[in-house]
Amino acid sequence: DVQVAESGGGLVQPGGSLRLSCVASGFTFSSYEMSWVRQAPGKGLEWVSWTGGSDGDKLYADSVKGRFTISRDNAKNSLYLQMNSLRVEDTGVYYCVRGDAGSADHWGQGTLVTVSS
Amino acid sequence: DVVMTQSPLSLPVTLGQPASISCRSSQSLVYSDGNTYLSWFQQRPGQSPRRLIYKVSNRESGVPDRFSGSGSGTDFTLKISRVEAEDVGVYYCLQGTHWRSFGGGTKVEIK
Repeated sequence: DVQVAESGGGLVQPGGSLRLSCVASGFTFSSYEMSWVRQAPGKGLEWVSWTGGSDGDKLYADSVKGRFTISRDNAKNSLYLQMNSLRVEDTGVYYCVRGDAGSADHWGQGTLVTVSS
Repeated sequence: DVVMTQSPLSLPVTLGQPASISCRSSQSLVYSDGNTYLSWFQQRPGQSPRRLIYKVSNRESGVPDRFSGSGSGTDFTLKISRVEAEDVGVYYCLQGTHWRSFGGGTKVEIK
Protein backbone atom coordinates (compact mmCIF):
# COMPACT_ATOMS: atom_id res chain seq x y z
CA ASP A 1 0.00 0.00 0.00
CA VAL A 2 1.17 3.49 -0.84
CA GLN A 3 1.62 5.57 2.30
CA VAL A 4 3.04 8.98 3.14
CA ALA A 5 3.29 10.11 6.75
CA GLU A 6 4.16 13.58 7.99
CA SER A 7 5.77 14.62 11.25
CA GLY A 8 7.48 17.62 12.78
CA GLY A 9 4.60 20.01 13.33
CA GLY A 10 4.15 21.94 16.54
CA LEU A 11 3.88 25.34 18.19
CA VAL A 12 6.46 27.95 17.23
CA GLN A 13 6.74 31.69 17.80
CA PRO A 14 6.59 34.17 14.92
CA GLY A 15 10.01 34.45 13.31
CA GLY A 16 10.91 30.91 14.36
CA SER A 17 11.76 27.82 12.34
CA LEU A 18 10.41 24.32 11.96
CA ARG A 19 11.33 21.32 9.82
CA LEU A 20 8.62 19.01 8.57
CA SER A 21 9.37 15.46 7.47
CA CYS A 22 7.45 12.98 5.34
CA VAL A 23 8.31 9.30 5.11
CA ALA A 24 7.03 7.39 2.11
CA SER A 25 6.45 3.67 1.63
CA GLY A 26 4.86 1.28 -0.81
CA PHE A 27 6.30 2.85 -3.96
CA THR A 28 9.61 3.77 -5.60
CA PHE A 29 10.04 7.15 -3.95
CA SER A 30 12.79 8.41 -6.25
CA SER A 31 10.55 8.01 -9.31
CA TYR A 32 7.90 10.44 -8.09
CA GLU A 33 7.45 14.15 -7.84
CA MET A 34 6.43 15.21 -4.34
CA SER A 35 4.65 18.26 -2.97
CA TRP A 36 3.54 20.05 0.17
CA VAL A 37 0.02 21.48 0.44
CA ARG A 38 -1.35 23.34 3.45
CA GLN A 39 -4.74 24.21 4.89
CA ALA A 40 -5.31 27.03 7.36
CA PRO A 41 -7.85 26.24 10.12
CA GLY A 42 -11.35 26.16 8.63
CA LYS A 43 -10.05 27.34 5.26
CA GLY A 44 -9.29 25.94 1.81
CA LEU A 45 -6.20 24.32 0.32
CA GLU A 46 -3.00 26.05 -0.82
CA TRP A 47 -0.17 24.47 -2.82
CA VAL A 48 3.07 25.32 -1.03
CA SER A 49 5.96 23.63 -2.79
CA TRP A 50 6.94 20.96 -5.33
CA THR A 51 10.07 18.97 -6.12
CA GLY A 52 10.93 16.65 -8.99
CA GLY A 53 12.11 13.06 -8.62
CA SER A 54 15.73 14.02 -8.04
CA ASP A 55 16.62 16.77 -5.57
CA GLY A 56 17.00 19.29 -8.38
CA ASP A 57 13.88 21.04 -9.61
CA LYS A 58 11.90 22.90 -6.97
CA LEU A 59 9.05 25.40 -7.03
CA TYR A 60 7.40 27.51 -4.35
CA ALA A 61 4.23 29.52 -3.85
CA ASP A 62 4.91 33.26 -3.73
CA SER A 63 3.66 33.30 -0.14
CA VAL A 64 6.59 31.14 1.07
CA LYS A 65 9.32 31.88 -1.48
CA GLY A 66 12.60 32.77 0.21
CA ARG A 67 11.43 31.41 3.58
CA PHE A 68 10.66 27.72 2.92
CA THR A 69 12.94 25.10 1.38
CA ILE A 70 11.80 21.74 0.07
CA SER A 71 14.25 18.86 -0.13
CA ARG A 72 14.29 15.10 -0.38
CA ASP A 73 16.53 12.18 0.52
CA ASN A 74 15.72 9.35 -1.86
CA ALA A 75 17.92 6.92 0.10
CA LYS A 76 15.66 7.48 3.13
CA ASN A 77 12.39 7.72 1.17
CA SER A 78 11.89 11.07 2.81
CA LEU A 79 10.65 14.53 1.90
CA TYR A 80 11.31 17.63 3.99
CA LEU A 81 10.10 21.18 4.33
CA GLN A 82 12.36 23.61 6.15
CA MET A 83 10.29 26.57 7.26
CA ASN A 84 12.08 29.74 8.42
CA SER A 85 10.85 33.22 9.39
CA LEU A 86 7.46 31.75 10.22
CA ARG A 87 4.44 34.03 10.30
CA VAL A 88 1.06 33.72 12.00
CA GLU A 89 -0.50 33.19 8.57
CA ASP A 90 1.62 30.05 8.06
CA THR A 91 -0.53 28.30 10.69
CA GLY A 92 -2.32 25.24 9.38
CA VAL A 93 -2.20 21.56 8.56
CA TYR A 94 0.61 20.65 6.18
CA TYR A 95 0.05 17.69 3.88
CA CYS A 96 2.69 15.65 2.13
CA VAL A 97 1.44 14.68 -1.32
CA ARG A 98 2.73 12.16 -3.84
CA GLY A 99 2.79 13.81 -7.22
CA ASP A 100 2.19 17.23 -8.68
CA ALA A 101 -1.06 19.05 -9.35
CA GLY A 102 -1.80 16.78 -12.30
CA SER A 103 -0.90 13.61 -10.42
CA ALA A 104 -1.59 14.24 -6.71
CA ASP A 105 -2.93 10.79 -5.95
CA HIS A 106 -1.88 10.12 -2.32
CA TRP A 107 -2.01 12.47 0.66
CA GLY A 108 -0.78 12.00 4.20
CA GLN A 109 -2.86 12.68 7.28
CA GLY A 110 -1.17 16.03 7.79
CA THR A 111 0.83 17.67 10.55
CA LEU A 112 -0.36 20.80 12.37
CA VAL A 113 1.86 23.87 12.49
CA THR A 114 0.82 26.64 14.86
CA VAL A 115 2.64 29.97 14.73
CA SER A 116 1.71 32.04 17.75
CA SER A 117 3.27 34.07 20.52
CA ASP B 1 -2.15 34.06 -11.24
CA VAL B 2 -4.96 31.77 -12.34
CA VAL B 3 -8.03 32.16 -10.17
CA MET B 4 -10.33 29.18 -9.75
CA THR B 5 -13.92 30.08 -8.88
CA GLN B 6 -16.22 27.37 -7.56
CA SER B 7 -19.98 27.54 -7.20
CA PRO B 8 -22.06 27.13 -5.25
CA LEU B 9 -20.33 27.70 -1.92
CA SER B 10 -22.81 25.38 -0.20
CA LEU B 11 -24.93 22.64 -1.76
CA PRO B 12 -27.73 21.03 0.29
CA VAL B 13 -28.86 17.86 -1.48
CA THR B 14 -31.54 15.24 -0.85
CA LEU B 15 -30.24 11.68 -0.62
CA GLY B 16 -30.55 9.94 -3.97
CA GLN B 17 -30.76 13.18 -5.91
CA PRO B 18 -28.09 14.53 -8.30
CA ALA B 19 -25.63 17.28 -7.47
CA SER B 20 -23.48 19.48 -9.68
CA ILE B 21 -20.50 21.70 -8.81
CA SER B 22 -19.02 24.28 -11.16
CA CYS B 23 -15.39 25.36 -11.38
CA ARG B 24 -14.29 28.22 -13.64
CA SER B 25 -10.75 29.34 -14.30
CA SER B 26 -9.56 32.83 -15.20
CA GLN B 27 -7.45 31.40 -18.05
CA SER B 28 -7.66 28.38 -20.32
CA LEU B 29 -6.30 25.26 -18.64
CA VAL B 30 -5.13 23.61 -21.84
CA TYR B 31 -1.39 22.95 -21.45
CA SER B 32 1.17 23.04 -24.25
CA ASP B 33 1.20 19.22 -24.31
CA GLY B 34 -2.51 19.20 -25.15
CA ASN B 35 -3.62 17.99 -21.73
CA THR B 36 -5.93 19.90 -19.39
CA TYR B 37 -4.71 19.56 -15.80
CA LEU B 38 -7.93 19.96 -13.87
CA SER B 39 -8.60 17.64 -10.92
CA TRP B 40 -11.35 17.26 -8.34
CA PHE B 41 -10.82 16.36 -4.68
CA GLN B 42 -13.18 15.34 -1.90
CA GLN B 43 -12.42 16.18 1.72
CA ARG B 44 -14.68 14.42 4.19
CA PRO B 45 -14.97 15.93 7.70
CA GLY B 46 -11.77 15.35 9.64
CA GLN B 47 -10.00 13.64 6.73
CA SER B 48 -7.31 14.44 4.21
CA PRO B 49 -8.31 15.33 0.66
CA ARG B 50 -8.85 12.42 -1.72
CA ARG B 51 -8.55 12.71 -5.47
CA LEU B 52 -11.70 11.78 -7.38
CA ILE B 53 -11.06 12.96 -10.93
CA TYR B 54 -7.92 13.92 -12.87
CA LYS B 55 -7.40 15.53 -16.27
CA VAL B 56 -11.02 16.72 -16.34
CA SER B 57 -12.84 13.42 -16.65
CA ASN B 58 -10.66 10.49 -15.57
CA ARG B 59 -11.98 8.77 -12.46
CA GLU B 60 -9.47 7.66 -9.84
CA SER B 61 -9.35 3.91 -9.16
CA GLY B 62 -11.89 2.97 -6.50
CA VAL B 63 -14.03 6.07 -6.94
CA PRO B 64 -17.72 5.18 -7.43
CA ASP B 65 -19.03 5.72 -10.95
CA ARG B 66 -21.71 8.09 -9.66
CA PHE B 67 -18.92 10.71 -9.75
CA SER B 68 -18.11 12.22 -13.15
CA GLY B 69 -16.15 15.17 -14.42
CA SER B 70 -16.58 17.17 -17.60
CA GLY B 71 -15.67 20.46 -19.22
CA SER B 72 -13.04 22.17 -21.30
CA GLY B 73 -11.03 25.36 -21.56
CA THR B 74 -12.15 27.43 -18.58
CA ASP B 75 -15.41 25.79 -17.56
CA PHE B 76 -15.59 22.49 -15.62
CA THR B 77 -18.19 20.48 -13.72
CA LEU B 78 -18.22 17.70 -11.14
CA LYS B 79 -21.45 15.72 -11.04
CA ILE B 80 -22.73 13.23 -8.52
CA SER B 81 -25.53 11.25 -10.12
CA ARG B 82 -27.18 10.13 -6.86
CA VAL B 83 -25.88 11.59 -3.62
CA GLU B 84 -25.21 9.18 -0.78
CA ALA B 85 -24.59 9.99 2.89
CA GLU B 86 -20.85 9.26 2.54
CA ASP B 87 -20.55 12.05 -0.07
CA VAL B 88 -20.88 14.75 2.60
CA GLY B 89 -17.80 16.96 2.67
CA VAL B 90 -16.04 19.76 0.84
CA TYR B 91 -15.11 19.41 -2.82
CA TYR B 92 -12.21 21.29 -4.41
CA CYS B 93 -11.08 21.72 -7.99
CA LEU B 94 -7.34 22.09 -8.67
CA GLN B 95 -5.59 23.34 -11.77
CA GLY B 96 -2.01 22.33 -12.54
CA THR B 97 -1.54 24.04 -15.90
CA HIS B 98 -0.38 27.43 -14.58
CA TRP B 99 1.51 26.85 -11.31
CA ARG B 100 -1.15 25.25 -9.08
CA SER B 101 -4.29 26.76 -7.61
CA PHE B 102 -7.35 25.37 -5.87
CA GLY B 103 -10.92 26.54 -6.03
CA GLY B 104 -12.40 27.84 -2.79
CA GLY B 105 -14.39 24.68 -2.12
CA THR B 106 -18.04 23.61 -2.20
CA LYS B 107 -19.61 22.14 0.92
CA VAL B 108 -22.02 19.30 0.14
CA GLU B 109 -24.51 18.52 2.89
CA ILE B 110 -27.65 16.45 3.18
CA LYS B 111 -30.97 18.30 3.42
